[in-house]
Formats: sequence, structure tokens, C-alpha cells
Amino acid sequence: AQSVTQPDIHITVSEGASLELRCNYSYGATPYLFWYVQSPGQGLQLLLKYFSGDTLVQGIKGFEAEFKRSQSSFNLRKPSVHWSDAAEYFCAARSSGGYNKLIFGAGTRLAVHP
Amino acid sequence: DTGVSQDPRHKITKRGQNVTFRCDPISEHNRLYWYRQTLGQGPEFLTYFQNEAQLEKSRLLSDRFSAERPKGSFSTLEIQRTEQGDSAMYLCASSRPDRTGELFFGEGSRLTVL
Repeated sequence: AQSVTQPDIHITVSEGASLELRCNYSYGATPYLFWYVQSPGQGLQLLLKYFSGDTLVQGIKGFEAEFKRSQSSFNLRKPSVHWSDAAEYFCAARSSGGYNKLIFGAGTRLAVHP
Repeated sequence: DTGVSQDPRHKITKRGQNVTFRCDPISEHNRLYWYRQTLGQGPEFLTYFQNEAQLEKSRLLSDRFSAERPKGSFSTLEIQRTEQGDSAMYLCASSRPDRTGELFFGEGSRLTVL
């Protein structure tokens, strides 16, 4: 079955430190991959997406993600975290064919210490 | 672009009552999706519309749930005879019909069943 796994439920980093959030997927073929961010009580905002081509994709708010086919991973990174980055982050995937139905991971809650 | 709008944002009801949520997608988007998100989990797919046609329903959508999208514009999600297990955030998203169409999410409707 298609699935997306985010191994880390909760991560705490200090402001200014680097960040990496892990995401692994299980699909028959390489899916389209996404990272969304959700602030408390809010909807989801797209940070970045990968469809094909360059395996390092840039997103909004200084985030980037790297697609690694051999590891079935799509990890999200940021070189220097700001206090405003504290939120919940969701990795999602969909099949490259058909419509845009997304399957989400369970999320990683990021806390930022001053 | 006014974004995806959902109403009401919060609903508290007693067990056994019926509730209805409304979603107004972005005007040029013909695809509309409903997701459910419980505490500590990622969004789970419920159903998908292309224009007015409901093309897929998740097994999560029991017979107490019904969704409509008359005339292919706004959509409603009705839950009959609510149960405490229905307490969740109900998210609506819409997208363009193109292959790589991004899902734009509303801020969600939070349901609390007492």
C-alpha cells in the first residue's frame, strides 16, 4: 500500500541551528512529493514540491528538500531556523498519474528554543 | 484570489446531532477534496470531486457522511448522527485540473462532539 512515513514526531532545535526533517515514502513508482507546514489552528501551506528533474528543490521561507530515490526519501532542510518556523510539518505524496489525491505522513512538530 | 473558504470554523455539537460544513474553493479550480485530521495525525483523504461528480470516496466515509458539490462550485459535507469519534478538523482543498496541480487548503472546520 502507498504510504508516507515521518519517523520523528517531535523535534526541538535552537534558533539559528540547522534543521532536517525526515520523510520516507512507499510507492510503486516515484511519486510526486510535497512538504506542507501547518501553524496551530490553521490550514496547510505548501513549502515545496518535487515532480522530476533536479533532486534538490527550493521552497519558500528558506526551506529546501532533497529527493533520494535510492533511499525513498524526501528530507526537508533549513540552514538556520527562526522562531517563527515553529509549526507542524507534513510530508505528502501522490501518484504521478490520475488526479491530485495526496497521502500525508503523520507530521513532525517543530519547537524552536530561543 | 480569495483562497479556499470554509464555514463554520468551529462547531460544537451533542452526540446524535447532524452537522454540515461548507467549502468554497478557489473559483477557477474544478477539483475539490475533503480531508479529516485528528489530533497528532496527518490529514486523511475522505472524498474527491471533479466538477460536480464525486469520483472517489474513502472507506473512512461511513454511511453517516455525505458530500455534495452541486453545480461544481461550493461543496458541503454533512455528518448525520454524530459520534464522539467524529471530532476532528475537516479540511477542504481545491486544485486546478492540470497534472501537477497544487492543492490549496482552507483553514478547516473543527468539530467537537460532546
